[in-house]
Amino acid sequence: GQQVMQIPQYQHVQEGEDFTTYCNSSTTLSNIQWYKQRPGGHPVFLIQLVKSGEVKKQKRLTFQFGEAKKNSSLHITATQTTDVGTYFCAGDTGGFKTIFGAGTRLFVKA
Amino acid sequence: DGGITQSPKYLFRKEGQNVTLSCEQNLNHDAMYWYRQDPGQGLRLIYYSQIVNDFQKGDIAEGYSVSREKKESFPLTVTSAQKNPTAFYLCASSGRQGMEKLFFGSGTQLSVL
Repeated sequence: GQQVMQIPQYQHVQEGEDFTTYCNSSTTLSNIQWYKQRPGGHPVFLIQLVKSGEVKKQKRLTFQFGEAKKNSSLHITATQTTDVGTYFCAGDTGGFKTIFGAGTRLFVKA
Repeated sequence: DGGITQSPKYLFRKEGQNVTLSCEQNLNHDAMYWYRQDPGQGLRLIYYSQIVNDFQKGDIAEGYSVSREKKESFPLTVTSAQKNPTAFYLCASSGRQGMEKLFFGSGTQLSVL
C-alpha cells in the first residue's frame, strides 16, 4: 500500500540553527500537507502543496514539493524555542485517505 | 466557536470491555477520520467516512468499529478484539473534496487497566 517515509526521526538543534525534515512517498501524490504537533497537543495544519516543484514560504518556514510529486521538505531557518514539536507530512493520491509520515521531532536548545 | 470536540480526554478500559470514543464537529464537514498515535510515532488511519451512512476501513481497522448516522458525529468503538488498545486517538474532519486540510480534535488517551 501507499507509504510516506519521513526523516530524520529526531533532530536536536541549538537555537538559531537551521532545521530540515524530508518526506518521501512510494507513489505519486496529488498533494502534500504539513502539520505541527506541539508536545501534549494535536496536529495543526501548516500548509498544503499541490503543484509539481511548488515552493511556499511562511516567515522562517520554507516548504517544497518535488518535481515528481513524490517528495517534499520543510526547512526552518534560525530555529526558535517556539518551533519545538513534531512535524508531520501527509499525502494522498486524490481520495480521502490521507497518509501521514512518522514525523520528525524537533528539540531546540536555548 | 467552530471545531471538533473529542470526549473523554482520558479513558480506561478493562479486560474484555468495549469502549466508545466520541467525536463531534460543527464545521459542516462531510469527511471525518479516526487516527491512532502511539508514543513517538506517526498517525495511523483506522477508519474514515466521506459522507453520512458510509465509511471505509483504514490501515489498522481490526478491533475497531465506527458509525456515521449523523454528519456531525463519528464515534469510534474499541472492541475487546483490539488486544493492544493503549494509544492516543485523534479524530479529524475535512471538506468534501478530500484534498482539503484536516482539522483535529484534542484527542483521547486510552489506557488499559
